[in-house]
Amino acid sequence: LAKTTQPISMDSYEGQEVNITCSHNNIATNDYITWYQQFPSQGPRFIIQGYKTKVTNEVASLFIPADRKSSTLSLPRVSLSDTAVYYCLVGPLSGGYNKLIFGAGTRLAVHP
Amino acid sequence: DSGVTQTPKHLITATGQRVTLRCSPRSGDLSVYWYQQSLDQGLQFLIQYYNGEERAKGNILERFSAQQFPDLHSELNLSSLELGDSALYFCASSAFRPGRNSGNTIYFGEGSWLTVV
Repeated sequence: LAKTTQPISMDSYEGQEVNITCSHNNIATNDYITWYQQFPSQGPRFIIQGYKTKVTNEVASLFIPADRKSSTLSLPRVSLSDTAVYYCLVGPLSGGYNKLIFGAGTRLAVHP
Repeated sequence: DSGVTQTPKHLITATGQRVTLRCSPRSGDLSVYWYQQSLDQGLQFLIQYYNGEERAKGNILERFSAQQFPDLHSELNLSSLELGDSALYFCASSAFRPGRNSGNTIYFGEGSWLTVV
């Protein structure tokens, strides 16, 4: 799996847009980028996945530049309930993607 | 609800004892993963099974073992328990199939809280 680097923590306020960037300089051609969200004492939950350019769903947007060496998870208008740890993972969809290694993630704290 | 079921939700046991954690994957998923998360620690990958066979092993202690049964449920056995084994143990499953270009999204259960006293 490509090694990823994320900020350890971030702070924001309700109603703001939050952008969390993940660096993955050695991403391989067949690697996808996946983000998970984990609330305290709960299992991580899939948020979004992408390969290139931009992906948007009802929860977040994922921006991936042309060189794919980084990606940015964008959370629009965060609320207190978005306080969680966010993990960025990079790997192929199948074959060789045997170990799902979670890094330390980014601990997002949303304040009133 | 991820569709992954874990039991028990909470367990308190004494040092030196042995416990078994059980996991039922999402319907149709053949791949099961086990993770350990200690207080304020990251998720530590322990082991993965695919269709009954061990596929990958992470930082799993020799005192720990796992298996996946023909009905695809999995069990994680923890023996000679120590205080440091107190953690939240997650099971996850995915639609992973070798050679197929899909299925790397994994779905986690709610975890089993183990407290060793």
